[in-house]
Amino acid sequence: GQQLNQSPQSMFIQEGEDVSMNCTSSSIFNTWLWYKQDPGEGPVLLIALYKAGELTSNGRLTAQFGITRKDSFLNISASIPSDVGIYFCAGRDNQGGKLIFGQGTELSVKP
Amino acid sequence: NAGVTQTPKFRVLKTGQSMTLLCAQDMNHEYMYWYRQDPGMGLRLIHYSVGEGTTAKGEVPDGYNVSRLKKQNFLLGLESAAPSQTSVYFCASSYSRWQGNQPQHFGDGTRLSIL
Repeated sequence: GQQLNQSPQSMFIQEGEDVSMNCTSSSIFNTWLWYKQDPGEGPVLLIALYKAGELTSNGRLTAQFGITRKDSFLNISASIPSDVGIYFCAGRDNQGGKLIFGQGTELSVKP
Repeated sequence: NAGVTQTPKFRVLKTGQSMTLLCAQDMNHEYMYWYRQDPGMGLRLIHYSVGEGTTAKGEVPDGYNVSRLKKQNFLLGLESAAPSQTSVYFCASSYSRWQGNQPQHFGDGTRLSIL
């Protein structure tokens, strides 16, 4: 079946540093989504990518849909304490609209 | 603007007991989904529904049943709870994929413990 590998699994950074995380898949996806999950809450959508090569920003967040359609990355610039949480990538193919989720990247930011 | 609402938020069950988790959305979404989230494994799809009266199996459907009698509600049932079903359960909804690949919106989760 389809698999998504998300890395790194966890990151411990200093406030103000930039962060980068990525996801790779074993198959092609037509959509890549990046979610953030705060403790005790459900995932909240950060960025949605719909075209290969697409680069989209949302404030300090930037995400790209890889040209091969098998990967995506998320960058966070100038991290702040409220960036703490678990970040998930999710990919969707064109068969049924189901999402496949990565394992998550847990981000910790030290003030 | 409630979005996706899950009830209950927490529940503790004994092995063999049954229960139903309720998901309600007020966004007129066609698609609804149930996921479970376990440490280090991300979210895995249990069952989903592409419209009222329809359901389909996801990645990990065994031990669960679902029903979509009304468009706004999606129920997840555990007929005979097992400790392996201890998890956090998330419901999500979205417009159909034919409406611009709309992303899924998630509820806040139900934390279920099976003793």
